[in-house]
Amino acid sequence: GENVEQHPSTLSVQEGDSAVIKCTYSDSASNYFPWYKQELGKRPQLIIDIRSNVGEKKDQRIAVTLNKTAKHFSLHITETQPEDSAVYFCAASRYNTDKLIFGTGTRLQVFP
Amino acid sequence: SAVISQKPSRDICQRGTSLTIQCQVDSQVTMMFWYRQQPGQSLTLIATANQGSEATYESGFVIDKFPISRPNLTFSTLTVSNMSPEDSSIYLCSVRTGSYEQYFGPGTRLTVT
Repeated sequence: GENVEQHPSTLSVQEGDSAVIKCTYSDSASNYFPWYKQELGKRPQLIIDIRSNVGEKKDQRIAVTLNKTAKHFSLHITETQPEDSAVYFCAASRYNTDKLIFGTGTRLQVFP
Repeated sequence: SAVISQKPSRDICQRGTSLTIQCQVDSQVTMMFWYRQQPGQSLTLIATANQGSEATYESGFVIDKFPISRPNLTFSTLTVSNMSPEDSSIYLCSVRTGSYEQYFGPGTRLTVT
């Protein structure tokens, strides 16, 4: 069945360093890949997404890359700040179903 | 993005009872979904709430346990029936707006004793 693997499960970085979270999906028909940030006790917030017709997308300090051949996509956060500390989830879906299949999550801690 | 509200925000219920969770959106949306997030875990899709027809359930979730209604394009309900402690979780609705993006409601934290 459809599956999304996410690594690492936890990630600790020093403020100002970069953080990278990687996901692999199994369904080759997936064509939409969002990333969500969830702070403790809050709802998941959509922070960036990418569609299968592009290889990279940037929004200020965050970027997402997609390798459709390898079925990999990654979230890159540069110049990390303590407020980036949260759990990050990747997801994948097919346009015709809209079902989001989520990865297992990465707990990012940014130390001052 | 749409403004999404859920009621109740939290509840403590006794085993064997049922709870109905409401999800309201401030604009008409094409798709509405219900997810479950167990403590410290990822999100799992329960079902797609279809307007005017029966919901589409994912593997492991059945209509008798999680009946869903969607009477119009801005409102849906999820009922958790005959609850057991294993149903303790956060239940979230999400909506898809005109394009691909999905946005989540604030969630309902359910504790079953």
